[in-house]
Amino acid sequence: DSGVTQTPKHLITATGQRVTLRCSPRSGDLSVYWYQQSLDQGLQFLIQYYNGEERAKGNILERFSAQQFPDLHSELNLSSLELGDSALYFCASSRSDRVSYNEQFFGPGTRLTVL
Amino acid sequence: GDSVTQMEGPVTLSEEAFLTINCTYTATGYPSLFWYVQYPGEGLQLLLKATKADDKGSNKGFEATYRKETTSFHLEKGSVQVSDSAVYFCALSWEYGGSQGNLIFGKGTKLSVKP
Repeated sequence: DSGVTQTPKHLITATGQRVTLRCSPRSGDLSVYWYQQSLDQGLQFLIQYYNGEERAKGNILERFSAQQFPDLHSELNLSSLELGDSALYFCASSRSDRVSYNEQFFGPGTRLTVL
Repeated sequence: GDSVTQMEGPVTLSEEAFLTINCTYTATGYPSLFWYVQYPGEGLQLLLKATKADDKGSNKGFEATYRKETTSFHLEKGSVQVSDSAVYFCALSWEYGGSQGNLIFGKGTKLSVKP
């Protein structure tokens, strides 16, 4: 158990809908990262937050957004869903954003299926 | 842009066989390098890392050496066990700059070890 929790574990929805994925980082971790894992694209970095502020953006679609709240949990919002958004979405957390000194701990993921 | 290339899987080995999974990277400069492992149904776990050239990361019998001359970070283990069956991801990350902290992953290599 990494200490990072993600809910829900599975999510099945229809095209055009909107969903929210939730992540609680390990106690004391300030940095949260979101990744998407799909068969065709592999594992891709989406977005990073550090202590409530957006720190870096990767290959995140405009239909997707995220935020980190004062209690440091984070939510990833996916809207106008398409079939191609079906994937495993991982959240990871670390003490800070200094990669050399901080390991990223991954949650178990949320499997999103868009029908 | 930065990228990581891993050998295609799946790799099937007998117990106690020698394992090598090749990983090369393309980047300007010298990023930190990582191997992550994903067991079935779980999130990713950090296996080992190296933050500068010629560093050797090691953990649980696995080793990888950061070779800047060949831009490689090959994963090796002298004697694999059935419990090593998993998907292995090579990744890079930057200490500084706009992309600091987030991981860039290879496609992953699935390893199956038979008794």
